[in-house]
Amino acid sequence: AQSVTQLDSQVPVFEEAPVELRCNYSSSVSVYLFWYVQYPNQGLQLLLKYLSGSTLVESINGFEAEFNKSQTSFHLRKPSVHISDTAEYFCAVRQAGTALIFGKGTTLSVSS
Amino acid sequence: GAVVSQHPSRVICKSGTSVKIECRSLDFQATTMFWYRQFPKQSLMLMATSNEGSKATYEQGVEKDKFLINHASLTLSTLTVTSAHPEDSSFYICSASRGTGGGYEQFFGPGTRLTVL
Repeated sequence: AQSVTQLDSQVPVFEEAPVELRCNYSSSVSVYLFWYVQYPNQGLQLLLKYLSGSTLVESINGFEAEFNKSQTSFHLRKPSVHISDTAEYFCAVRQAGTALIFGKGTTLSVSS
Repeated sequence: GAVVSQHPSRVICKSGTSVKIECRSLDFQATTMFWYRQFPKQSLMLMATSNEGSKATYEQGVEKDKFLINHASLTLSTLTVTSAHPEDSSFYICSASRGTGGGYEQFFGPGTRLTVL
């Protein structure tokens, strides 16, 4: 069975500071890894995903995540956050042919 | 990107009544549809997976007689909460998938807030 652990439930940061949202997973087989973002009163949106190949994946809005197989991690990072990045971030995992399984989410709060 | 809609966005009902929630993939045909439930400050919990024309596959602990899922077409799935009780109050989110392998993607609806009085 797969599981996802997001180590921080809330991460408060100041604008323009760097941020890392941590995610660890467990699975006995190869998995695909995802980060989704949920802005207030909106649906989930895919932020980035790792399927294969380069272990560093990037989103269009400056976030990046690195797949680390030995540490079973897929931490999300951004070197400089904006107020508009305030949202709930979910790490998710899936095996081929199965549904996404989500972590509990991390609330990123960016203040000025 | 692909769009998934849900209707209604918010519903309040009395205990004992049934509520139907619709999920539609607006601009693509979904291979599979999923229903999730999200409690406040908690993760999305997968309730069931359904394919068009087939019976839904429910996750362990989810009552299939309480949460009826109908997947009538490649663009429409419905979740009916039967004889709803206050403990069924939650945020229900549907998801539709397309593609396979590396091209697989799941798209999410905006969710339906159910409040049972």
